[in-house]
Amino acid sequence: KQEVTQIPAALSVPEGENLVLNCSFTDSAIYNLQWFRQDPGKGLTSLLLIQSSQREQTSGRLNASLDKSSGRSTLYIAASQPGDSATYLCAGVDMDSNYQLIWGAGTKLIIKP
Amino acid sequence: NAGVTQTPKFRVLKTGQSMTLLCAQDMNHEYMYWYRQDPGMGLRLIHYSVGEGTTAKGEVPDGYNVSRLKKQNFLLGLESAAPSQTSVYFCASRRTGTSNTGELFFGEGSRLTVL
Repeated sequence: KQEVTQIPAALSVPEGENLVLNCSFTDSAIYNLQWFRQDPGKGLTSLLLIQSSQREQTSGRLNASLDKSSGRSTLYIAASQPGDSATYLCAGVDMDSNYQLIWGAGTKLIIKP
Repeated sequence: NAGVTQTPKFRVLKTGQSMTLLCAQDMNHEYMYWYRQDPGMGLRLIHYSVGEGTTAKGEVPDGYNVSRLKKQNFLLGLESAAPSQTSVYFCASRRTGTSNTGELFFGEGSRLTVL
């Protein structure tokens, strides 16, 4: 059964630092992978979608990579800002479960001014 | 550009009451999902639909029913609400299950409290 793990569960860093959030999955049968952010009391906002034929995607200060062979995806945030504070979730489309989404539990990120 | 809209955003129910949450999307998406999110539990799939007139059970379907009579709408019903159904409910949609452009879009959530 496909499982998605996000490490660390929580992270607190000073403003301006570059940081990496990790998402790992147990089975390489991931079709595509999407990163979201969720602010407290709010819905989920899509950040990046890495399609099955891609290895990475970039949007502004964010860069996400996907390595199916190693079962890992990373979200790189450059020059972090207090406004980046949120919970970040990854979700993979699992080919072995009728293309359903498998969710990680999230990483709670705090950027200290 | 509405995207995914959920109504109502907040609701308080008494045990045993019924209610329906409405999810509407204007992106002509085939797939629609209902999730619940509880502290420390992450997102759990309740029911989903792969197209108009179809529904399927997710991870935690008990106590809920759904209908997809129109492609743009996905309704989540609670027939007899229980305190264990106190949660934040999220609706989401995407174009298809296997499309390379299958980005998932979420509504803002519906906070339900059952007393």
